[in-house]
This record gives sequence, structure tokens and C-alpha cells, in this order.
Amino acid sequence: AQSVTQLGSHVSVSEGALVLLRCNYSSSVPPYLFWYVQYPNQGLQLLLKYTSAATLVKGINGFEAEFKKSETSFHLTKPSAHMSDAAEYFCAVSAPGGDYGQNFVFGPGTRLSVLP
Amino acid sequence: DAGVTQSPTHLIKTRGQQVTLRCSPISGHKSVSWYQQVLGQGPQFIFQYYEKEERGRGNFPDRFSARQFPNYSSELNVNALLLGDSALYLCASSPTPVPPDTQYFGPGTRLTVL
Repeated sequence: AQSVTQLGSHVSVSEGALVLLRCNYSSSVPPYLFWYVQYPNQGLQLLLKYTSAATLVKGINGFEAEFKKSETSFHLTKPSAHMSDAAEYFCAVSAPGGDYGQNFVFGPGTRLSVLP
Repeated sequence: DAGVTQSPTHLIKTRGQQVTLRCSPISGHKSVSWYQQVLGQGPQFIFQYYEKEERGRGNFPDRFSARQFPNYSSELNVNALLLGDSALYLCASSPTPVPPDTQYFGPGTRLTVL
């Protein structure tokens, strides 16, 4: 079975500061990992995904994430936060042959606030 | 290109009623999945359909059912609504159900049960 934990339900950063959102996963098989962003009253938008091609994954809007197998982590970072980054961020794991086939198990989410 | 579309946007029902939610996938995508997102939580998997066949089912009661049509659109039905069914229902489409295909999400249908 797969599971995802996201440390910190709410993270606040100042505009221009580093953004770090944490994600740890558990999976009995090599996983695929995803980060999605959700703006208020909207669906989820893919930021980036890890598919084993490279451990450092670059996504949209300046975000990137690093897969660390030894730490079972896939933390999301952005060097400089913008006001427009304020949203809910979800980490998800998908593994072939998992509980639900290709389907995703989502973490509980982290709400990012960006202070002026 | 059009993304995943869902209808209606909002819906208000009373306990015991039945509801049908609709989803049209991205053109060329043959797999549709449904998720329930309760306020303040991550999405929870309900169903996946591929080529009109159910490929996966989450831990939801039999009051929840779904189907996929020949044009790959899908409907989610919920019977005997409970207050706890109030949530954002998200539809996602992908080309196939095989990892690591990305799932693309629609804007959701907000269901309120009174």
C-alpha cells in the first residue's frame, strides 16, 4: 500500500524567500511521485512529476523537487516565493500494481501563504 | 485544447436524494477517475474507468456508482445522500490507466447536502 505524509498543514513565507514544502511517501514498489497545486475554488494543476528518469525534477512556475530514495522524500522547493504562489499544494504517489492500479494516493495538503 | 470539463459547477441536495455528476475528458484520453475532496483534506480516490470498464474502486459505499460512455465521458451517481457526502467531486482524465500517465483534473463539482 502507498501513503503520503506532508509535514506542516500550513506554511508561511515572505515574498522572495525560499519555499520548502515537505513530502514523505511509503511504497512497497518504486513509486511515481507528483506535486499538484490547487488555487481556491479550482481543480488541481500538475506542477511536476518524478518518473525515475532523474532525481531532480523541474516543474512549472520555478518549482522543483528532489527524489531521495534513502529518505523516502520528495520535497518541493522554489528559490523565491511570489504572491501568486499562495495556494494549496498536494503531493501524490502512484505505483504500478498498487492498491488502485495507476490511481493516486494524495497527501493531506499544505497551504502556502506568502506575506508581503 | 479543452481541458477536463465537469457539470454542474455547484449542486445543493437534501439528505436521501440522488445526484448525478458529469465529466468530459480531454480529447484522446480514454481513462477517467473520480475523486472526493472533503474541505481541508486531500482528494480520495472513488473510481477509475478505462474503455468503459471499471478498473479500480476506492473505499466508498455501494451508494456510489459510475459509468463511462463510448465517447469516454463519465457519470458519477450517488444515492441516498448523507450530510457527509458534501464535498468537491473531482474528475481526472489520462490517456491510459498505466503509470506514470499524468492525471489532468477538472474544476470539480461542489456538492452541498442539507
